[in-house]
Amino acid sequence: NFMLTQPHSVSESPGKTVTISCTRSSGSIASNYVQWYQQRPGSSPTTVIYEDNQRPSGVPDRFSGSIDSSSNSASLTISGLKTEDEADYYCQSYDSSTLVFGGGTKLTVL
Amino acid sequence: QVQLVESGGGVVQPGRSLRLSCAASGFTFSSYGMHWVRQAPGKGLEWVAVIWYDGSNKYYADSVKGRFTISRDNSKNTLYLQMNSLRAEDTAVYYCAGGITMITYWGQGTMVTVSS
Repeated sequence: NFMLTQPHSVSESPGKTVTISCTRSSGSIASNYVQWYQQRPGSSPTTVIYEDNQRPSGVPDRFSGSIDSSSNSASLTISGLKTEDEADYYCQSYDSSTLVFGGGTKLTVL
Repeated sequence: QVQLVESGGGVVQPGRSLRLSCAASGFTFSSYGMHWVRQAPGKGLEWVAVIWYDGSNKYYADSVKGRFTISRDNSKNTLYLQMNSLRAEDTAVYYCAGGITMITYWGQGTMVTVSS
């Protein structure tokens, strides 16, 4: 099995753009789709990106996802930051019938 | 609308057992693979187990293999997690979740505390 590594925390100001990375330890990042979940304190996770770069209905287009084979990583980019974007973000992929989650990144919007 | 409602959590002593249930509604439960995902206090998400839409395949995280059993009753739209030989490190919020390669639906979670 592989691991997904995320930065522990990131912070940025309202209106700015932030990118959260998710690096796969072995195997190609392009082998299996990557999802991104947002989790606000005291709530269940919700999907903000699925299948690398697809947004569920209702998720603003300020959220975008991508993968980069050269760095073997996925990225979640949030533009026009709002205070409501402050949350934990988790990347997730799939391997041999199991889900693999990254350790999570705490986004602070200050 | 889609609902996944977990129940059965609580405080239990180390070594004892607990069974979690998850009642599904608002989608075709029998067409979906289902997972249990847990989150220890202040920690990240940890995948626990998956069961195929028809119950034909089940897989477990190494941390729970041999102690936990996932099952489902499609006639009752219900998912289960039988947890035996519980340890302090099993203390977490347990989420029922729908999907196979990704989570499409999440429950609200049920808290399990293993403590003497």
